[in-house]
Amino acid sequence: GAVVSQHPSRVICKSGTSVKIECRSLDFQATTMFWYRQFPKQSLMLMATSNEGSKATYEQGVEKDKFLINHASLTLSTLTVTSAHPEDSSFYICSARPAGPGSNQPQHFGDGTRLSIL
Amino acid sequence: TQLLEQSPQFLSIQEGENLTVYCNSSSVFSSLQWYRQEPGEGPVLLVTVVTGGEVKKLKRLTFQFGDARKDSSLHITAAQPGDTGLYLCAGRNSSASKIIFGSGTRLSIRP
Repeated sequence: GAVVSQHPSRVICKSGTSVKIECRSLDFQATTMFWYRQFPKQSLMLMATSNEGSKATYEQGVEKDKFLINHASLTLSTLTVTSAHPEDSSFYICSARPAGPGSNQPQHFGDGTRLSIL
Repeated sequence: TQLLEQSPQFLSIQEGENLTVYCNSSSVFSSLQWYRQEPGEGPVLLVTVVTGGEVKKLKRLTFQFGDARKDSSLHITAAQPGDTGLYLCAGRNSSASKIIFGSGTRLSIRP
C-alpha cells in the first residue's frame, strides 16, 4: 500500500533552534501534502496545505513565517519550525494525497515527528 | 470553519460490551473517514463513507454516514482490549481539498 515516511521520528533541541521535518511519499507522487499538529490528548489540527511548485496555504492562526513549508518535488515536502520555543513542542504529522483525477484521492499519513523543545 | 464534534470524548468499558461513538457537524461533507491512532503513531484509516445513509462493516465495527452527510457513527460490538485507541472521524470539505479531523474519542477497553 501507499507509504508516507517522515523524518526524523523524534527530535529534541534547544530553544531558538530551527528544526526541519521531511515528509516523503515513497511509492506514489503527491501533488498535495498536508501538515498537521497534535498536542497531547488532542486531535489533529491542520496547519497548512502544501502544493507542489506553489506556495503553501496556511490555516487561520498558523504563522507562515514560523512554519516554513517547501514542496519542491512530487515526493517531498518539508516543514521547518523556525526559532522553535517550548510551546512549539508537539507531534507533527504529514499526509500526502496521490496525483490523479479528482481531489477525492485518499490521504496517506506518516507516522509523525515528536518535537520537544527544551 | 467546519467543526466536527465527537462524543463521548473518553470512554472506558469492559471487554465484551458494545459501544457507539458519534461524530456531528453542522456542515455537509463530501466524504467522511474514520481513523484509529495509537500513541506515537500516525492515524490509520479504517473506512471512508461517501453516500448519505451509507453503512459499512469492518468485522465488529459498523460505520454509518448520516442521510444529510453531516454526521456519522461508529459502533463496536463485543469490544476487545485491542480496540483501545484514539478514534478520529474526519470530513472532507465540499471542495474536497482538505480533511478536517474531529475532536477525537479516546477508547479504553478493560480486560
